[in-house]
Amino acid sequence: EVQLVESGGGLVQPGRSLTLSCAASGFTFEGYAMHWVRQAPGKGLEWVSGISRNSVNFGYVDSVKGRFTISKDNAKNSLYLHMGNLRPEDTALYYCARENYYGSLDVWGQGTTVTVSS
Amino acid sequence: EIVMTQSPATLSLSPGEGATLSCRASRGVANNLAWYQRKPGQAPRLLVYGGSTRAAGIPARFSGTRSGAEFTLTISSLQSEDSAVYYCQQYNTWPAFTFGPGTKVDI
Repeated sequence: EVQLVESGGGLVQPGRSLTLSCAASGFTFEGYAMHWVRQAPGKGLEWVSGISRNSVNFGYVDSVKGRFTISKDNAKNSLYLHMGNLRPEDTALYYCARENYYGSLDVWGQGTTVTVSS
Repeated sequence: EIVMTQSPATLSLSPGEGATLSCRASRGVANNLAWYQRKPGQAPRLLVYGGSTRAAGIPARFSGTRSGAEFTLTISSLQSEDSAVYYCQQYNTWPAFTFGPGTKVDI
């Protein structure tokens, strides 16, 4: 079964760091680009970051540039998002998602919640 | 950054009726447009990619079309389980994807 399972969310104070993980199974992880998407309370979906299948290319939404770092470990079938200098506006449910051959996001995890609050 | 707009914000319809959801990009995205369904407590589900290709396992009552710069998701013969928020997303500017604000469909 194709599956993505996120972990690492929690309550963190503003200015602190947190690293999210996404464990992939049921497919050849190294063959796919991956992404992080979030949904803040009462808001819509927001793309956060994406990384190519071989980690050569990556990108971030402007609001997290310089603070978040995406990485992909094909040997461990895992995707990561290191989030630094967290702000209250980063509070959201974070999903990892697989990009299919056509560029859309065809497999999603169930998400992990990040709450940034003092 | 490509900005996506969706209309209407909310649709209230009865079972068996049809729904027409619109999505427009601030500049050209070719056919690199997907539609997703998001139900409370569930992960988003890919419905359509490439503007008009249904994803695997998606019922035929969901269809996507493109007319110039406007994309449309049509849901024919609505069923109660179609109540959800529907998002469009452009993936023309890899990896900087952007989502629309969503259309909430109440059945």
